[in-house]
Amino acid sequence: DIVLTQSPATLSLSPGESVTLSCRASQSVRNDIAWYQQKPGQAPRLVIYDASKRATGIPARFSGSGSGTDFTLSISPLESEDFAVYYCQQRSNWPRTFGPGTRVEI
Amino acid sequence: QLQLQESGPGLVKPSETLSLICSVSGGSMSSSAYYWAWIRQPPGKGLEWIGSLSYSGTTNYNPSLKSRVTLSVDVSRKQFSLKMNSVTAADSAMYFCARDSDWVDGFDIWGQGTTVTVSS
Repeated sequence: DIVLTQSPATLSLSPGESVTLSCRASQSVRNDIAWYQQKPGQAPRLVIYDASKRATGIPARFSGSGSGTDFTLSISPLESEDFAVYYCQQRSNWPRTFGPGTRVEI
Repeated sequence: QLQLQESGPGLVKPSETLSLICSVSGGSMSSSAYYWAWIRQPPGKGLEWIGSLSYSGTTNYNPSLKSRVTLSVDVSRKQFSLKMNSVTAADSAMYFCARDSDWVDGFDIWGQGTTVTVSS
């Protein structure tokens, strides 16, 4: 199975700041990485797919990059509604796997 | 706009079988571009993929759960289902169904989730 590692586990920031989240895969996943945002009590929401493409309705302040084993999700500037947990997920191979998440908090 | 809705018992006894249904509305299940997935999230923890299946019934399972899980689909009723046997307290979680899309290479549509508690 492909293991995804996310860092840091938690980030404490303020609205208006910029943030970069990291996701590292245990083997190459090409660009088959997606990022999800999850707020308390809600289902996850697809933010980025194919490592760098924004999903429908996602604002331009979200951007993704990377290929192979190292990926990043950037948010600039942070808005109040962006404070949430972010998960990366690979679909290069079965089984699908998720990273443990990064919490972006105020 | 396609929507997913989970349903099933919120309480299951240890050693029994957990059964959930995901109902699909507002669109078709019959496309080779999609898999239909189950994902769970224990309280306060991360996301765990359980398995995915195509409209034709091709399945892929999480190896850690494969021996206890069965996924099935009924395209005519626009439903897919999850059965997990021999449950324990460790299976208590929020269970989500989701569409696993080849078009966007991700889980692009999610149900709201249903909480399942395993307790006697």
